Amino acid sequence: QKEVEQNSGPLSVPEGAIASLNCTYSDRGSQSFFWYRQYSGKSPELIMSIYSNGDKEDGRFTAQLNKASQYVSLLIRDSQPSDSATYLCAGGTRGGNKLTFGTGTQLKVEL
Amino acid sequence: SAVISQKPSRDICQRGTSLTIQCQVDSQVTMMFWYRQQPGQSLTLIATANQGSEATYESGFVIDKFPISRPNLTFSTLTVSNMSPEDSSIYLCSVELSYNEQFFGPGTRLTVL
Repeated sequence: QKEVEQNSGPLSVPEGAIASLNCTYSDRGSQSFFWYRQYSGKSPELIMSIYSNGDKEDGRFTAQLNKASQYVSLLIRDSQPSDSATYLCAGGTRGGNKLTFGTGTQLKVEL
Repeated sequence: SAVISQKPSRDICQRGTSLTIQCQVDSQVTMMFWYRQQPGQSLTLIATANQGSEATYESGFVIDKFPISRPNLTFSTLTVSNMSPEDSSIYLCSVELSYNEQFFGPGTRLTVL
């Protein structure tokens, strides 16, 4: 069974700190990975996509992919209370359009 | 991204009835998807809807229970048939705009009594 696994948290970080969210996947055929942010009562919002090994930065967000270790991470620098949400990791497969979602990590940024 | 709308945003239904959820996007897209998200859970894919072909259902979901229409490149419907309280969930549509990137509608919160 193809799985994407995340620690459910909650992960608590102080305001201004770096939040590190991690995700592992079992399908070696996965070629694309995504991080979604979901506020309570809202739908998921795509915040980062990553397709190749290494780091990809967008503002305060950095996504990291290591295909050999089957590991994806999301770093949030200068965390703000508004970053408090559940972060969903998703993986897509080669030649397919479907995504497999992890269960999400709840992030709490404390004042 | 795209502007995606869903109707209704929420509904309370009686056991044994059916509800049709509409998903509208403001641009033409090939791939649309329907998900279910139960309280406190992650997203589970129900089916993939391509315009001009039958929807492709995931394991555990059947067409008789969740019929889907995809009449054009901007619109799709999901019907939840013969509902039971176990169908209470948030139903989300999404569209693929570029390689595997999916964007979600606001969701439909369904409560079955």
